[in-house]
Amino acid sequence: DAGITQSPRHKVTETGTPVTLRCHQTENHRYMYWYRQDPGHGLRLIHYSYGVKDTDKGEVSDGYSVSRSKTEDFLLTLESATSSQTSVYFCAIRTGTTNTEAFFGQGTRLTVV
Amino acid sequence: KQEVTQIPAALSVPEGENLVLNCSFTDSAIYNLQWFRQDPGKGLTSLLLIQSSQREQTSGRLNASLDKSSGRSTLYIAASQPGDSATYLCAVCSNDYKLSFGAGTTVTVRA
Repeated sequence: DAGITQSPRHKVTETGTPVTLRCHQTENHRYMYWYRQDPGHGLRLIHYSYGVKDTDKGEVSDGYSVSRSKTEDFLLTLESATSSQTSVYFCAIRTGTTNTEAFFGQGTRLTVV
Repeated sequence: KQEVTQIPAALSVPEGENLVLNCSFTDSAIYNLQWFRQDPGKGLTSLLLIQSSQREQTSGRLNASLDKSSGRSTLYIAASQPGDSATYLCAVCSNDYKLSFGAGTTVTVRA
């Protein structure tokens, strides 16, 4: 599993509250990603990081922010949760630059009520 | 923007039949292509990684081919078993280091 831990694994929160999801890796890989997975849409990239303090937007970044102050942690924050952000969130890492594999965490199921 | 398409969306076969899953992508400037398996309610498990310079990769009953110029990859699963029932996802790593996914092919192998 490339030492990836997502927390929490499940969360229910109310509309309008901020929520932070954490992705932790133990092997100092450079690239980290946040995806959401929804029926009918597959996996969509929210944000990704290519190093400490280096992040970029994916295709569905509105309403989300990220931070990476340490190599091992990549945080995803929903600034003001909405029902449309109910989803399963996956963190991924890549073990290098070009010809290297991606590995995924077990996911966080987030419900916004 | 890289677009990844997987056909068919779903597939049901009797046990023992070979499976053929297709993936196509629009931008051939890729670093690699990776096939994943996902069981219901679970995370993604990496099956095979094909580097951009490779034509195919094999692991046990799985074989994946890559034709970068035409933007296509095919995953072959030989002698399917009920345990192969899952959703199979294709992911392309483009030269901006983003991973783009297809919607997946859901496979059911009937005993």
